[in-house]
Amino acid sequence: AQKVTQAQTEISVVEKEDVTLDCVYETRDTTYYLFWYKQPPSGELVFLIRRNSFDEQNEISGRYSWNFQKSTSSFNFTITASQVVDSAVYFCALSVPIYNQGGKLIFGQGTELSVKP
Amino acid sequence: GAVVSQHPSWVICKSGTSVKIECRSLDFQATTMFWYRQFPKQSLMLMATSNEGSKATYEQGVEKDKFLINHASLTLSTLTVTSAHPEDSSFYICSARRVAEAFFGQGTRLTVV
Repeated sequence: AQKVTQAQTEISVVEKEDVTLDCVYETRDTTYYLFWYKQPPSGELVFLIRRNSFDEQNEISGRYSWNFQKSTSSFNFTITASQVVDSAVYFCALSVPIYNQGGKLIFGQGTELSVKP
Repeated sequence: GAVVSQHPSWVICKSGTSVKIECRSLDFQATTMFWYRQFPKQSLMLMATSNEGSKATYEQGVEKDKFLINHASLTLSTLTVTSAHPEDSSFYICSARRVAEAFFGQGTRLTVV
């Protein structure tokens, strides 16, 4: 079975602080995808990143960076110099191949990030 | 990029009535769509997988007679909440899959009074 754990339920930081959101996943599949989504109060899911299991390169996109480590089954997300607009709920998700269970997404519990001015 | 449109974005209905939510893939054909439900302060839980031209696959614990799913075309899936009750009030969001990408609709906030 697949599982995603986001141990941090809520995080509160002051603007300009760096913050890391943890994500640990479980799967027996060797091929899988990992995602991060942002969910602002409006509810719509905003896609941030997709990473496949064969690509362990870390990625940086502006103030966002991701650290994928298969050895620890983790896919952590760091926001550098946080801003108030970063306040939202962030979800980590896992997907297995389409030929296995149709490619559905398994979401973590979410981390609510609050960035205070 | 691909867009998935979900309608309505919010709906209030009376207890006992049925509500239909539409999910359309606007610029690609989606043979598979997914329906999720999210209660306040909780994660998204998969309700069912909608397959074009065949019956939906429901997750354990989801009542198929209450949450009717129809995927009549490659661009449209509908979720009908039948005989809605206040406990069905939730945020419903659909997703359409294209290769490794998952595109989400804007979500529908259902309130049953």
